[in-house]
Amino acid sequence: DPKIIQKPKYLVAVTGSEKILICEQYLGHNAMYWYRQSAKKPLEFMFSYSYQKLMDNQTASSRFQPQSSKKNHLDLQITALKPDDSATYFCASSQWGLSQDTQYFGPGTRLLVL
Amino acid sequence: GDSVTQKQGQVTLSEDDFLFINCTYSTTTYPTLLWYVQYPGQGPQLLLKVTTANNKGISRGFEATYDKGTTSFHLQKASVQESDSAVYFCALVYNNNAPRFGAGTKLTVKP
Repeated sequence: DPKIIQKPKYLVAVTGSEKILICEQYLGHNAMYWYRQSAKKPLEFMFSYSYQKLMDNQTASSRFQPQSSKKNHLDLQITALKPDDSATYFCASSQWGLSQDTQYFGPGTRLLVL
Repeated sequence: GDSVTQKQGQVTLSEDDFLFINCTYSTTTYPTLLWYVQYPGQGPQLLLKVTTANNKGISRGFEATYDKGTTSFHLQKASVQESDSAVYFCALVYNNNAPRFGAGTKLTVKP
């Protein structure tokens, strides 16, 4: 059974629209993260949450907003989508959110903005 | 600032060849160094990590030594298999800051 679920697997959106990427983890972890992977930046850290609180935000744009309704959920809302937002978005989790922790990645959501 | 450099974008080998993927880092701290592997259609997964300088990490036949003197963390494997074909990322983390990833090296192993 998959331990980190990301939905949807593929997503096509039009420029200017809004989408929500879903992430749920069943590892019992307390920290969750979002990463972005594209041809321009192979693996880029976006956000980290620990116990549902924002710990680190390396995303310059406020169009990207994480949402945590439960400890094992960390969704990513993206507004006013642009073609440059096209990428694969990975959710990850770790036990405590410490740098020594091992992070486990989900399978990703591939977003294409037309 | 902190950074990780992987200069080899692609490496192509035959089965049983020796693998060497170059990784150097730049930091003013004492980071934990990691290698991740990403198979097609999947998220990255941790391959090995080393928290202390001059130590070696070993996993699934891969090894990497945290060399503080040369600020390197090269990945090696004595004999690669076709199933090792994937993208390999070198990374560093410290003090609970966001991890820094290298650009990745795509390994293709021909049967």
